[in-house]
Amino acid sequence: QKEVEQNSGPLSVPEGAIASLNCTYSDRGSQSFFWYRQYSGKSPELIMFIYSNGDKEDGRFTAQLNKASQYVSLLIRDSQPSDSATYLCAVRNQGGKLIFGQGTELSVKP
Amino acid sequence: EAQVTQNPRYLITVTGKKLTVTCSQNMNHEYMSWYRQDPGLGLRQIYYSMNVEVTDKGDVPEGYKVSRKEKRNFPLILESPSPNQTSLYFCASKRRQTPLTGDIQYFGAGTRLSVL
Repeated sequence: QKEVEQNSGPLSVPEGAIASLNCTYSDRGSQSFFWYRQYSGKSPELIMFIYSNGDKEDGRFTAQLNKASQYVSLLIRDSQPSDSATYLCAVRNQGGKLIFGQGTELSVKP
Repeated sequence: EAQVTQNPRYLITVTGKKLTVTCSQNMNHEYMSWYRQDPGLGLRQIYYSMNVEVTDKGDVPEGYKVSRKEKRNFPLILESPSPNQTSLYFCASKRRQTPLTGDIQYFGAGTRLSVL
């Protein structure tokens, strides 16, 4: 079992819809959770981080964390074609190591 | 402007020819790290450094060396590159975690390496 798992996609949504990206992790003691956006050929860019159970909202982005079920998700409201990218989930495990998932490719169709 | 700078951005080389990819950050970050990114495998850590003169292996250190003689620089050295080191490489740095800033890691623009 991978430490951090994401569906590779591609996930295709129409413009204006809500895109939902999911990530599960194996280390129950993990404390910090991150979502990075990566455009093709570019470097990862942090868009959200969350520490506590529940939701954290920033503009059109909402991160949701459920430690009991060991998953973290990212919702993108009013999706735009410019949101088309690969989204990387990263988890800092109990040992302090940052583990990346393989990423989910999102395609927003006009 | 706060940034992590990698050079070169693109590099084509041949098997066995030593090369160095440089990484420099201007944010006075203690922590620096190197990753490689391959299709289907995501980002994998090669080496990291908690501070000057302190380096440690990540998940895939074989065939790589690093040094941290100064806080701002963290070069990645391939003593004898092989085709399986063809990849996209990222350098990253971060400061100490605070509740306000989180544990934010800043990435360089990447170096695409091809070893023939």
